[in-house]
Amino acid sequence: EIVLTQSPGTLSLSPGERASLSCRASHSVSSFYLAWYQQKPGQAPRLLIYGASSRATGIPDRFSGSGSGTDFTLTISRLEPEDFAVYYCHHYGSSPYTFGQGTKLEIK
Amino acid sequence: EVQLLESGGRLVQPGGSLRLSCATSGFTFNTYVMGWVRQAPGKGLEWVSSVSSSGGATYYADSVKGRFTISRDNSKNTLYLQMNSLRAEDTAVYYCARRGYCSSSSCSSFDYWGQGTLVTVSS
Repeated sequence: EIVLTQSPGTLSLSPGERASLSCRASHSVSSFYLAWYQQKPGQAPRLLIYGASSRATGIPDRFSGSGSGTDFTLTISRLEPEDFAVYYCHHYGSSPYTFGQGTKLEIK
Repeated sequence: EVQLLESGGRLVQPGGSLRLSCATSGFTFNTYVMGWVRQAPGKGLEWVSSVSSSGGATYYADSVKGRFTISRDNSKNTLYLQMNSLRAEDTAVYYCARRGYCSSSSCSSFDYWGQGTLVTVSS
């Protein structure tokens, strides 16, 4: 099973700042199968990035994904008030699929 | 418009059984892989199970293997999760999700989700 470890656990930033969220895999992961989700309280997760770097439909271009092998990054270039939420990375290449434990992005 | 609507969640005693349903509309159901993801109260996301578009291939997390069964009825555009031998640790919101298509350069993940149904396992 591939274990995904996200860091930091909590990130405190201000609107307008740049955010970088990390996801490290216990074994090499194909970039085809690495996704990022955003979740706000009381809501279902929302797909942001798939295939490590492809933005899902309707996702603003301030969201970008990068990385390969065991290290992946979600970058939000300039934070908007609506971006403060919990973010999860997700491996879906082979069963069992796994999620990281999440990074909470909070307003400083 | 793509819609997924889960139902069937309720309070159940340890050792009991429950069947969740996910009614879908707005897309060609029988061409998509579907899955279930759960979230315990105040916790992160956990993938539970997935099923191929035809229903012929199924996959499970180790935590539910042998107790849960995923299935689909392509004539009714509906996904199911039969849950047996329920434990307290199965308490969670259960989301139904659609997995998007693959292209030559990448494969989409769960691109549409329902709002979830709460399963509570307690005596």
